[in-house]
Amino acid sequence: DTAVSQTPKYLVTQMGNDKSIKCEQNLGHDTMYWYKQDSKKFLKIMFSYNNKELIINETVPNRFSPKSPDKAHLNLHINSLELGDSAVYFCASSQGRVVGNTIYFGEGSWLTVV
Amino acid sequence: GEDVEQSLFLSVREGDSSVINCTYTDSSSTYLYWYKQEPGAGLQLLTYIFSNMDMKQDQRLTVLLNKKDKHLSLRIADTQTGDSAIYFCAEFTGGGNKLTFGTGTQLKVEL
Repeated sequence: DTAVSQTPKYLVTQMGNDKSIKCEQNLGHDTMYWYKQDSKKFLKIMFSYNNKELIINETVPNRFSPKSPDKAHLNLHINSLELGDSAVYFCASSQGRVVGNTIYFGEGSWLTVV
Repeated sequence: GEDVEQSLFLSVREGDSSVINCTYTDSSSTYLYWYKQEPGAGLQLLTYIFSNMDMKQDQRLTVLLNKKDKHLSLRIADTQTGDSAIYFCAEFTGGGNKLTFGTGTQLKVEL
């Protein structure tokens, strides 16, 4: 069973559309993350949730809205998609916020905006 | 700042050792990690080291940490073609709330 699963894996959509990427973890973790990897492979954190509470929001445009219905799910909704949103989005989870807890990553969602 | 720097490319011959270097900035980081990303795939945790250690060995992998210089390295012994991937170092920053990644090193293993 996949520990951190994301859907869809690939998404091609037009500018201006609204889309969502879903993430679920079956590890029983209480902290979940969204990371963005751009075309140069740079990875940066976007959001972090602990027990459904937002704890990190890294100056991400408010077109991006994370939603955590429960601690096993963290979905990412993107409004009015722009070309610059094309990237790979990784969901991740860990147990707690204590330094040293291993973060487990999903396989990534490849978003292409045309 | 929170910049974590790595050289972008490394090319080695199969069977040689590879050394991937990383320089981080947050002296309060207590754990440092190495992740591997194969083409079209997600991030795989390879190994990590606690900041009170100088070295950690795990089969073909050796991690060296120089806290004074904030320098981390990953040595892969007997490098194989299957080791070709992008390698990211990462540190916990922001009070342990997030993982900050390096710029990634593309390792190419040639026959």
